Amino acid sequence: QQQVKQSPQSLIVQKGGISIINCAYENTAFDYFPWYQQFPGKGPALLIAIRPDVSEKKEGRFTISFNKSAKQFSLHIMDSQPGDSATYFCAASGDGSARQLTFGSGTQLTVLP
Amino acid sequence: EAGVAQSPRYKIIEKRQSVAFWCNPISGHATLYWYQQILGQGPKLLIQFQNNGVVDDSQLPKDRFSAERLKGVDSTLKIQPAKLEDSAVYLCASSSFRTSGNGETQYFGPGTRLLVL
Repeated sequence: QQQVKQSPQSLIVQKGGISIINCAYENTAFDYFPWYQQFPGKGPALLIAIRPDVSEKKEGRFTISFNKSAKQFSLHIMDSQPGDSATYFCAASGDGSARQLTFGSGTQLTVLP
Repeated sequence: EAGVAQSPRYKIIEKRQSVAFWCNPISGHATLYWYQQILGQGPKLLIQFQNNGVVDDSQLPKDRFSAERLKGVDSTLKIQPAKLEDSAVYLCASSSFRTSGNGETQYFGPGTRLLVL
């Protein structure tokens, strides 16, 4: 019940295209959903996060869409750039026994020039 | 603002040997985390400290892993004896939690890449 399932495992997109990464969760105690970006040899860095009181959050070219009833959330990267090539992790946490940040398995994004 | 510092960056040891990793969190951050990231997987929490007390160590293999944060600042994670399956990147993160809350940004260090032969 603590799992966060992420897809796809890898994604190749042309420069200027839209990258979409999906995550699904089961634990209804989760109420914080961040996305982390990780470059090779670096630690993950927070990209954008959402709480379930809103269905969408946008920061620049990055948008999180959240569907509470389906227990799914996704990251959309508009106008993808080669510099966006990295591994992206979704994660979730909540209060009580769910307060630990649980990460998805990651999506390796490659943006072709 | 200086980030989370970790050392060493790389370590190669043979199985049954011991190894220690060091982490210095962002100044003023009360909460410190150690994660294990196996190749192709997301980070998995091993232990969480609030100041110098343990908040959560439920996923720490206590028969071989130990961690301490004696003065509430830097921390050491030790593996003794190491197994082949311990090959992974060990990430340290910190956040400015004052209590064991939820939703605070975690700032990660670059990690220590461990290879056990």
